[in-house]
Amino acid sequence: QLQLQESGPGLVKPSETLSLTCTVSGGSISSSGYYWGWIRQPPGGGLEWIGLIHYTGNTYYNPSLKSRVTISVDTSKNQFSLNLNSVTAADTAVYYCAKRTIVNTWFDPWGQGTLVTVSS
Amino acid sequence: QSVLTQPPSVSGAPGQRVTISCTGTNSNIGAGYDVHWYQQLPGAAPKLLIYGDSNRPSGVPDRFSASKSGTSASLAITGLRAEDEAHYYCQSYDSSLSGSVFGGGTKLTVL
Repeated sequence: QLQLQESGPGLVKPSETLSLTCTVSGGSISSSGYYWGWIRQPPGGGLEWIGLIHYTGNTYYNPSLKSRVTISVDTSKNQFSLNLNSVTAADTAVYYCAKRTIVNTWFDPWGQGTLVTVSS
Repeated sequence: QSVLTQPPSVSGAPGQRVTISCTGTNSNIGAGYDVHWYQQLPGAAPKLLIYGDSNRPSGVPDRFSASKSGTSASLAITGLRAEDEAHYYCQSYDSSLSGSVFGGGTKLTVL
């Protein structure tokens, strides 16, 4: 059964870079039929799609975040990562990683999520 | 401001039926892109509830159903139970954004 697990610092200072990793277990990140995605949820708020990556390295980003986001993949570790630079308090959120197929647009499964707080 | 519009809250008594609407535009739902629904229990990650407009993953009770028409979609829950109390989110694809979009979420309260 495929499982995803987010990891990374829970506290980031304003103007610095938020870095998270998602580890995939129970399956290969190198499957050609999947995208791997990041989604975030501010405290008490709704869901926002951040971006997707294919194991080949092709990426797709939310236009509202594109200038600050980089998603990368490490197939040797079965992981993919999120970097979000120049963070502000508005980037405080629970960050989820999730799987999406290439053909279909729903996300399943999701990781449990990790809270990242931006504060000095 | 979410691209897809949902009511902030709905409520119903145990055993009753409730519906949650999700309104989009001609660049997402109205363009024919699939609508999916997620259930988020308190303190948990979202869980896929309905995919491809109206399909239930294995293990989701048939008390949950969904439909789509024009630029809107709706989720219906019949025979409300206390454990259905959660936030519900709709999701689709938007061609103008070239990516996924979500509704703002609806909190279901079981009275």
